Amino acid sequence: AQSVTQLDSQVPVFEEAPVELRCNYSSSVSVYLFWYVQYPNQGLQLLLKYLSGSTLVKGINGFEAEFNKSQTSFHLRKPSVHISDTAEYFCAVRTNTGNQFYFGTGTSLTVIP
Amino acid sequence: DTGVSQDPRHKITKRGQNVTFRCDPISEHNRLYWYRQTLGQGPEFLTYFQNEAQLEKSRLLSDRFSAERPKGSFSTLEIQRTEQGDSAMYLCASSVSANSPLHFGNGTRLTVT
Repeated sequence: AQSVTQLDSQVPVFEEAPVELRCNYSSSVSVYLFWYVQYPNQGLQLLLKYLSGSTLVKGINGFEAEFNKSQTSFHLRKPSVHISDTAEYFCAVRTNTGNQFYFGTGTSLTVIP
Repeated sequence: DTGVSQDPRHKITKRGQNVTFRCDPISEHNRLYWYRQTLGQGPEFLTYFQNEAQLEKSRLLSDRFSAERPKGSFSTLEIQRTEQGDSAMYLCASSVSANSPLHFGNGTRLTVT
């Protein structure tokens, strides 16, 4: 079975500081990886995805993530955060043989002015 | 792309009542998913349709829950004899192909009193 672990449930960071949100997954087959952002009372919006190819993927709002197969990780980074980045972030994985997307429990990012 | 639409946005019901939610996916998307999200958790898979066929259903889904997608377009999720534990955000998502990301609606928040 597949699983996704987001080790940090809450991450406070000062405005304009860098941030990294961690995501690890377990799967015995190849996977597709995603990061989503959720603002209060809204659905999830796609930030970025890794399907194949370059392990460094760039997404919207200045976010990027790096797929590390040996460490089964897909950490999300941003070099300089803004107040508007305050939200809940979810890592998700889907295998190349299944239909389900498995989500982590989320990381609440709070940007402090 | 008008996005995934869910109706209603909020539903308050008394325990024991039946409720039905509707999801209209993005028009060219043949894959449709229902997820449930409780406070502080990531989305939890409920069921998946490809066109009108329900191909996957979570083992966590009790027989009080039923979903349909009769013409391969909109979908409905019905919960019979609601319980307080059913209180959650119910999210619908759609995608166009096997390795494309999910596009989420804004969800229906159910409160069972």
